[in-house]
Amino acid sequence: GAGVSQSPSNKVTEKGKDVELRCDPISGHTALYWYRQSLGQGLEFLIYFQGNSAPDKSGLPSDRFSAERTGGSVSTLTIQRTQQEDSAVYLCASSLDRAPGNTIYFGEGSWLTVV
Amino acid sequence: EDKVVQSPLSLVVHEGDTVTLNCSYEVTNFRSLLWYKQEKKAPTFLFMLTSSGIEKKSGRLSSILDKKELFSILNITATQTGDSAVYLCAVDYGGNQFYFGTGTSLTVIP
Repeated sequence: GAGVSQSPSNKVTEKGKDVELRCDPISGHTALYWYRQSLGQGLEFLIYFQGNSAPDKSGLPSDRFSAERTGGSVSTLTIQRTQQEDSAVYLCASSLDRAPGNTIYFGEGSWLTVV
Repeated sequence: EDKVVQSPLSLVVHEGDTVTLNCSYEVTNFRSLLWYKQEKKAPTFLFMLTSSGIEKKSGRLSSILDKKELFSILNITATQTGDSAVYLCAVDYGGNQFYFGTGTSLTVIP
């Protein structure tokens, strides 16, 4: 697609429910990133995919968080048994690859509110 | 520990003023520094800098990198209310992510 597309834009869920957030990167971009931004805070790195592989999952806050990427394209971030502290904007970004000089482009984000 | 620090944290100016935002970094294997503007949710790309001393310019915005002193500045001249946003600095160090600073919140009042 022309840009990074994320869905849903906004999600309100009850504590304890599972949520899935979707990211469709720019066509041809092999590198995909998930970041989280809590209100008034900086960007917190969650996970990076090169193709379908995630070399580093250490940024995921807990084992309730998981992510996958299929076909080298769409990625899904899943949060199980949501907690109120999971409320944040979840930003997905992509870049052509991890070669030097590549820019990362962000989607509009998914605003998650856990009540 | 690698890090990116931005200053000031917030800034309030009047329309027409010139502002300078700072980003210092301390990373191994520096590859590039990027500036983003974040108005609502999505950070939008402004500049990427890889070489010292070469100014990147777009309209009223400009940026320069000093790789010896490990910092970059973002200048905005003749500020407008539409410049109000959070400005983020990010560094590519070749790892699995881009390190982001916490941002500078700029408010331009009429």
